[in-house]
Amino acid sequence: GQQLNQSPQSMFIQEGEDVSMNCTSSSIFNTWLWYKQDPGEGPVLLIALYKAGELTSNGRLTAQFGITRKDSFLNISASIPSDVGIYFCAGRYNQGGKLIFGQGTELSVKP
Amino acid sequence: GAVVSQHPSRVICKSGTSVKIECRSLDFQATTMFWYRQFPKQSLMLMATSNEGSKATYEQGVEKDKFLINHASLTLSTLTVTSAHPEDSSFYICSARESIDGYTFGSGTRLTVV
Repeated sequence: GQQLNQSPQSMFIQEGEDVSMNCTSSSIFNTWLWYKQDPGEGPVLLIALYKAGELTSNGRLTAQFGITRKDSFLNISASIPSDVGIYFCAGRYNQGGKLIFGQGTELSVKP
Repeated sequence: GAVVSQHPSRVICKSGTSVKIECRSLDFQATTMFWYRQFPKQSLMLMATSNEGSKATYEQGVEKDKFLINHASLTLSTLTVTSAHPEDSSFYICSARESIDGYTFGSGTRLTVV
């Protein structure tokens, strides 16, 4: 099935560092979503973006909807050990439609 | 907030048997639910879109006779893996659409076929 191009695949960082990850698509989306998945669990929504250029924060997390509508990034500032997990971007073509997921970014945080 | 319960969380079955996985929306009605499959260290791959009262829409390459989906009520969708084989071992996740923009995921089912 179709996937988004998400990078990096994995990151190993020190506690307190900032993190950035991004997703690109060959198609235009009308919604970008960022999820976090812990081992053995389903994804949990972090941030939803609905308009091109939109910049939205959720605590230490900030995400932006690219102006071309083909990309999005997620930043995590001042990382802490509980940020460990796999982060997925997801795009959606239309309201209520199916989600297309990126390959995921596995984040490891060293205390 | 919206809660989706998925059951069982883990199941081990013998090759050739069938397994049913349930996905329930606990505090909202979901006319649409989605079923995903996830292999270790990989992304979520959409298998099918389940619509209450009608046939599911399967993604290309997903065998509808092998992965039976039933969405008989507004709060329950089931995925039955028929005649399971070891290659069907995977993490299966459902999500329910609670609103035009809101999707809530279940906690997943780890299926191991021996």
